[in-house]
Amino acid sequence: GAVVSQHPSRVICKSGTSVKIECRSLDFQATTMFWYRQFPKKSLMLMATSNEGSKATYEQGVEKDKFLINHASLTLSTLTVTSAHPEDSSFYICSAPHHRDGYTFGSGTRLTVV
Amino acid sequence: AQSVTQLDSHVSVSEGTPVLLRCNYSSSYSPSLFWYVQHPNKGLQLLLKYTSAATLVKGINGFEAEFKKSETSFHLTKPSAHMSDAAEYFCVVTHASGGSYIPTFGRGTSLIVHP
Repeated sequence: GAVVSQHPSRVICKSGTSVKIECRSLDFQATTMFWYRQFPKKSLMLMATSNEGSKATYEQGVEKDKFLINHASLTLSTLTVTSAHPEDSSFYICSAPHHRDGYTFGSGTRLTVV
Repeated sequence: AQSVTQLDSHVSVSEGTPVLLRCNYSSSYSPSLFWYVQHPNKGLQLLLKYTSAATLVKGINGFEAEFKKSETSFHLTKPSAHMSDAAEYFCVVTHASGGSYIPTFGRGTSLIVHP
């Protein structure tokens, strides 16, 4: 089936630094990518929708200056957590719609800010 | 507007017994519905989907779900649970917004399988 490759799977960073998470669609073009945040024992919270070649659409309450999203090509979308703080520690997952498989998810990134 | 309600936060079964994970939805339009499974610290894997074809949908690993419009339900079932089925399960409904189809997630149901 369709695959979205997400990297890194785990990252530990110091407070105040920035972290970039990449999601690549393999073997298909993803004009749209959804970025989610998942808290422990909680469902997935949609943070933003990225569209290739245009600005991302952020959900209410999500700081666009803190969570920078770039969708520069049809196969790559990135999420950069800027000036990370411990409260940003979470599990981040990307997802791309696929005509056959519905929504294909990346394997997730466990971010820990110390 | 649309929403998804997973009625149980936890379901506990014994290995070899049937599994029922309940999902109800509300949608202004004909919905597309999905079930995903997530193992610890992993991404989500598609189990099955309903997109207005057959109302009984068969998925991977022996799971199936039946779309019941009159009950606005899309419950997930499996005849016999296996230890490897222990995971988090999400029911998802999609809606169109600005040209994109945005998935809305249920809160998830944790399936616990006892030996």
